Amino acid sequence: AQSVTQLDSQVPVFEEAPVELRCNYSSSVSVYLFWYVQYPNQGLQLLLKYLSGSTLVESINGFEAEFNKSQTSFHLRKPSVHISDTAEYFCAVSDRLGFQKLVFGTGTRLLVSP
Amino acid sequence: GAGVSQSPRYKVTKRGQDVALRCDPISGHVSLFWYQQALGQGPEFLTYFQNEAQLDKSGLPSDRFFAERPEGSVSTLKIQRTQQEDSAVYLCASSLVGGWGDTQYFGPGTRLTVL
Repeated sequence: AQSVTQLDSQVPVFEEAPVELRCNYSSSVSVYLFWYVQYPNQGLQLLLKYLSGSTLVESINGFEAEFNKSQTSFHLRKPSVHISDTAEYFCAVSDRLGFQKLVFGTGTRLLVSP
Repeated sequence: GAGVSQSPRYKVTKRGQDVALRCDPISGHVSLFWYQQALGQGPEFLTYFQNEAQLDKSGLPSDRFFAERPEGSVSTLKIQRTQQEDSAVYLCASSLVGGWGDTQYFGPGTRLTVL
C-alpha cells in the first residue's frame, strides 16, 4: 500500500516569489508520481508526472518537480509565481503494476498575493 | 475535444434517499475510475472499470454503493439509503488504456450533500 504526505495545508506567498510545495510518499514497491492542480470551481488537471528517466520533470507553465528516491520525495517548485497560480495542489502516487489507481495527499492550497 | 463530464454537478438529498451520479468519459477511453473527495481531503479511490468490467471495487465504503458501466462508456455510481457521511464530491476520471503511467483526466465532480 502507498501513502502520500503533504505537510503544508496552506502556503501563502507574494507574487514573483519562489515557492516549494512538499510531497513525501511511502511505498513498498516502485511508483509513478504525479502532481495535479485544482483551480477554483474546476476539476483536477495533471500538472506533471514522473515515470522514469530524468528525475527532474517540468510543466509547461514553469513548475518543476524532482524525484528523490532516497528521501522518497517529489517536491514541486516554481522560481516565480503568478496570481493565477493560486489553486489547490495535490501530489499523488500509483503502483507501477496493474491499472494504477491514484493515492492522493491531502493537498496544499497555494495563495499568491500581490 | 470534449473532456470528462459529470451530472448533476450538485445534488442535495435527504438521508435515506437513493441517488445516481453519472459520468461521461472521454470517447475511446478504456479505463474509468471513481474517487470520493471529502471536505479538506484528497480524493480517495472507490472503483475501477476496464471497458464494461469492474476490475476493482475495493474502495467502495459499503454495500450501499454500487457502480456500473454496462456498455463500456457511460458509468453510473449509485448510492442507496444515503447517510450524512456520504456527503462529498464524487470525481470520475478516465484514461486511454490504464497502466504505464497513463494520465487520468478528471471531470468537474458531483457535489453530494445529504441532509
